[in-house]
Amino acid sequence: NAGVTQTPKFQVLKTGQSMTLQCAQDMNHEYMSWYRQDPGMGLRLIHYSVGAGITDQGEVPNGYNVSRSTTEDFPLRLLSAAPSQTSVYFCASSLRQNTEAFFGQGTRLTVV
Amino acid sequence: QQQVKQSPQSLIVQKGGISIINCAYENTAFDYFPWYQQFPGKGPALLIAIRPDVSEKKEGRFTISFNKSAKQFSLHIMDSQPGDSATYFCAAIEREYGNKLVFGAGTILRVKS
Repeated sequence: NAGVTQTPKFQVLKTGQSMTLQCAQDMNHEYMSWYRQDPGMGLRLIHYSVGAGITDQGEVPNGYNVSRSTTEDFPLRLLSAAPSQTSVYFCASSLRQNTEAFFGQGTRLTVV
Repeated sequence: QQQVKQSPQSLIVQKGGISIINCAYENTAFDYFPWYQQFPGKGPALLIAIRPDVSEKKEGRFTISFNKSAKQFSLHIMDSQPGDSATYFCAAIEREYGNKLVFGAGTILRVKS
């Protein structure tokens, strides 16, 4: 049982580059979300999805895009990377929006 | 503006001691308060959670105390062990209306052996 799988684990980007962080879950969860974790700020919600084909913005959505074409996958796209996007990114899923959230192991992204 | 305020930022406790982490909130619509534990290089994992109609919940060495009138809740780790060294996040959610999980800033706990 893999749970929530994130790839890659580490990534270095140059300013202006684009990339996609991958997230997949095998628990048939409806709800998936992306957070970023920065020192002293906890986890802040970037985007979330309540089901395939439905996405919405969280607290800090600027500079990121998401899509949810299947129940299993919820990729996060950085359109034009900026140093302010240097962070650790976590994908989470839960059966429904307000049930226990299961987190992936994170992607540490550095933008230089 | 953080909806859930957590303190302290970091905490050092001797092995066998009690670790106490405090959180406060303003939104009275919050109705579920989970605590997450995060080890270095890992994602957060649910540790224990409480509803506001309960004043205390205990699971093993971990206890949540909840004061609804003061809008405060805290995590107590009894007989703290080096293996408890981790970052702890309190969180809150308004379940009825499908609001999102909001996290405190986190507390880095180090238990010295």
